[in-house]
Amino acid sequence: GESVGLHLPTLSVQEGDNSIINCAYSNSASDYFIWYKQESGKGPQFIIDIRSNMDKRQGQRVTVLLNKTVKHLSLQIAATQPGDSAVYFCAEFTGNQFYFGTGTSLTVIP
Amino acid sequence: DAMVIQNPRYQVTQFGKPVTLSCSQTLNHNVMYWYQQKSSQAPKLLFHYYDKDFNNEADTPDNFQSRRPNTSFCFLDIRSPGLGDAAMYLCATSLTGGTQYFGPGTRLLVL
Repeated sequence: GESVGLHLPTLSVQEGDNSIINCAYSNSASDYFIWYKQESGKGPQFIIDIRSNMDKRQGQRVTVLLNKTVKHLSLQIAATQPGDSAVYFCAEFTGNQFYFGTGTSLTVIP
Repeated sequence: DAMVIQNPRYQVTQFGKPVTLSCSQTLNHNVMYWYQQKSSQAPKLLFHYYDKDFNNEADTPDNFQSRRPNTSFCFLDIRSPGLGDAAMYLCATSLTGGTQYFGPGTRLLVL
């Protein structure tokens, strides 16, 4: 299968700081990427997506950056809040299937 | 609000006793997926229905079956649950294979 991996399995940030979660992907033909947030005991929740013809996309307090040269994806969360504590998955769309990364657990320290 | 609904949220079964998990959606999406997720791991795709066409992942055990009687409903049947099948089971939907929207999941406990 495809390899969609995250650089860091855990990340702790102080409340109010910015968070950066990274993801590497292996298939240069992938043309669509999604970040999901999964809180404990819940299903993954769509946060933001980006197509391969873009290198940056912004949402509310979140920004996704795509670097196709090095096959790297990142999620930036501005002014991190306690409610942002969750596991974050990147997902890569290749053909007609998604491949999920292993997840990064974000802990926000009050 | 349009959504993906999974029932029950928690399911306890006995070793070897068949169990069925259900998923319904009001999004009118034509693709429905079943994932298995174990602790601290990414969701693992078991199979999906593209309209009425069933697509099984190569490594999905035969113990897992699925039914989709209509667009809105999809069921996951585990014929003989083993201890290793204890996990969160996630249903997701998409429109023609695009962005997937997940339900809240059913946590299965096998005693």
